[in-house]
Amino acid sequence: QQQVKQSPQSLIVQKGGISIINCAYENTAFDYFPWYQQFPGKGPALLIAIRPDVSEKKEGRFTISFNKSAKQFSLHIMDSQPGDSATYFCAAGANTDKLIFGTGTRLQVFP
Amino acid sequence: NAGVTQTPKFRILKIGQSMTLQCTQDMNHNYMYWYRQDPGMGLKLIYYSVGAGITDKGEVPNGYNVSRSTTEDFPLRLELAAPSQTSVYFCASNPTGNPGYTFGSGTRLTVV
Repeated sequence: QQQVKQSPQSLIVQKGGISIINCAYENTAFDYFPWYQQFPGKGPALLIAIRPDVSEKKEGRFTISFNKSAKQFSLHIMDSQPGDSATYFCAAGANTDKLIFGTGTRLQVFP
Repeated sequence: NAGVTQTPKFRILKIGQSMTLQCTQDMNHNYMYWYRQDPGMGLKLIYYSVGAGITDKGEVPNGYNVSRSTTEDFPLRLELAAPSQTSVYFCASNPTGNPGYTFGSGTRLTVV
């Protein structure tokens, strides 16, 4: 019940395309759903996060879509750029409790 | 404002040796965490702390120990290193009431 399942494991997208990464959770007590971006040799950095009281949150080219009934949330990267090439982690947590992370998606954007 | 600082960045240990991974944050965050990252496995929580003097086990605590004598520091101790502890270790912190983590840049550990 504490797992967060992330897919796909890897993703190749052409420049200008849309990258979509999906996550699913089981624990209905989770109320915070962040996405982290990690470049090689660096620590993960918070990219965008959502609470379950909204179905979508957009920051620039990055959008989180949240489906509470299906217990799923996804990251959409519009107009993907080579600089977006990184590993992306979804996570989920309850209140200020520790986060549970997905297994990560390696995104490669080719020119 | 340095954020979360981890040292060393790289280390090679022989089986059976011990070492301490250092983690310091200058943001006055109460919550601190140690994760390990293995290929295809995501981030697994080793230990965490909700404040000075308070620590608790995460998902994969075996072979590790922690202490939290100050708000700033949260060292991770490896006793009797084993090849299974070869990994990249990340320290993270967040303030009370804000669940967004700040991560350090990691320590890459190889046990041979």
